Amino acid sequence: QITLKESGPTLVKPTQTVTLTCSFSGFSLTTTGVAVGWIRQPPTKAPEWLALVYWHDEKRYSPSLKGRLTIIKDTSKNQVVLTMASMAPVDTATYYCVQLSCFTSGSCHTAHWGQGTLDTVSS
Amino acid sequence: QSALTQPASVSGSPGQSITISCTGTSSDVGRYNYLSWYQQYPGKAPKLIIYDVNSRPSGISNRFSGSKSGNTASLTISGLQAEDEADYYCSSYTPTTNLDVFGTGTTVSVL
Repeated sequence: QITLKESGPTLVKPTQTVTLTCSFSGFSLTTTGVAVGWIRQPPTKAPEWLALVYWHDEKRYSPSLKGRLTIIKDTSKNQVVLTMASMAPVDTATYYCVQLSCFTSGSCHTAHWGQGTLDTVSS
Repeated sequence: QSALTQPASVSGSPGQSITISCTGTSSDVGRYNYLSWYQQYPGKAPKLIIYDVNSRPSGISNRFSGSKSGNTASLTISGLQAEDEADYYCSSYTPTTNLDVFGTGTTVSVL
């Protein structure tokens, strides 16, 4: 059974850097075709991709946030960590960790999601 | 990267069929078949219900079906049930960001 769980601060002050940790089980991030990423969803708005890391350590970032994001994987701990700098109130959102299964066809499926963690940015 | 365009709301009576559209561009929806649909209940994480335009993950009801024509994808819910009341989001790969882009979202109401 695949599970993912997000952890991190729920309240962040403007200009701070936030570190979010995704702890997962039921799969390995060393398996070909596997990736883990982060998606956020502001209240009442659509989800938005932030970043993802593949099993071979290729990383992708949202161009609009690229300079603020860093994603790293720790395969020994089954964790993926996302840091996001210069937080602002517009970054208030639920942050989800997701697992992707990618195939040689180029298709990737985001079938497994964590429960999400609501991060509020406020002074 | 602009979000894909969906109608804000769609409604139907129990037993009816409804269709939700998702309009992108020739660079994303029109070019790739990496089109997914998600169902989301309030306070819950989105759930994948369609991938690769018209494939269903294991356990998803065959009342959900997907299709695509040109730059517009569609999700059809047949035999509408009260439990189908939720928000629905489409998502497509876009080479602009090398990530997927989500639709604006559609709230389905069962009358």
